[in-house]
Amino acid sequence: QVQLQESGPGLVKPSQTLSLTCTVSGGSISSGSHYWSWIRQPAGKGLEWIGRIFTSGSTNYNPSLKSRVTISLDTSKNQLSLKVNSVTAADTAVYYCARDRPDSPAFEVWGQGTMVTVSS
Amino acid sequence: QSALTQSASVSGSPGQSITISCTGTSSDVGGYNYVSWYQQHPGKAPKLMIYDVSKRPSGVSNRFSGSKSGNTASLTISGLQADDEADYYCSSYASSSTLVFGGGTKLTVL
Repeated sequence: QVQLQESGPGLVKPSQTLSLTCTVSGGSISSGSHYWSWIRQPAGKGLEWIGRIFTSGSTNYNPSLKSRVTISLDTSKNQLSLKVNSVTAADTAVYYCARDRPDSPAFEVWGQGTMVTVSS
Repeated sequence: QSALTQSASVSGSPGQSITISCTGTSSDVGGYNYVSWYQQHPGKAPKLMIYDVSKRPSGVSNRFSGSKSGNTASLTISGLQADDEADYYCSSYASSSTLVFGGGTKLTVL
């Protein structure tokens, strides 16, 4: 059974780059036809889809974040990564990685989430 | 890309049924049969409850059901139980191969 685990710095300074990693266990990140997504949730607020990457490497991004976000795969490490440039306090949130179903864009598998605070 | 619209809160007594609505546009909810619903308990990751409008993943109780009419999708929970108290989010596939979430609905079991 596939499991996801997010990791990365819990504190990032304003204007810097937020970098997170999602480690996949129990299966290969490059097998099958799956999209791997990043989703975030500010404290007390709703979920926001950030973007996704297909096993082939093609990406789709939330238009509101597209100019600052990069999602990539490292198949040798079985990881996906997220980079958000020029962060502000508005980027403070719990960040989740998730994998879709093989037959639907629904998010079937989720990581536990990692809290990132943007503050000087 | 605007968030889908959900009512902020809904409540019901144990054993009753409730319905949560999720309204979008013809570019998301109305344009695709890819609406999904998630349950989130405090401090936990969301859990997929319904996908492709009305399909239930293995292991999800048949007390949860989904439907769609036009640009509005709905999640119905029958036979309310205390553990159903949580936040519920809808999501839809949208144009340009993007995904969008609703603002969330807080369910209180009285």
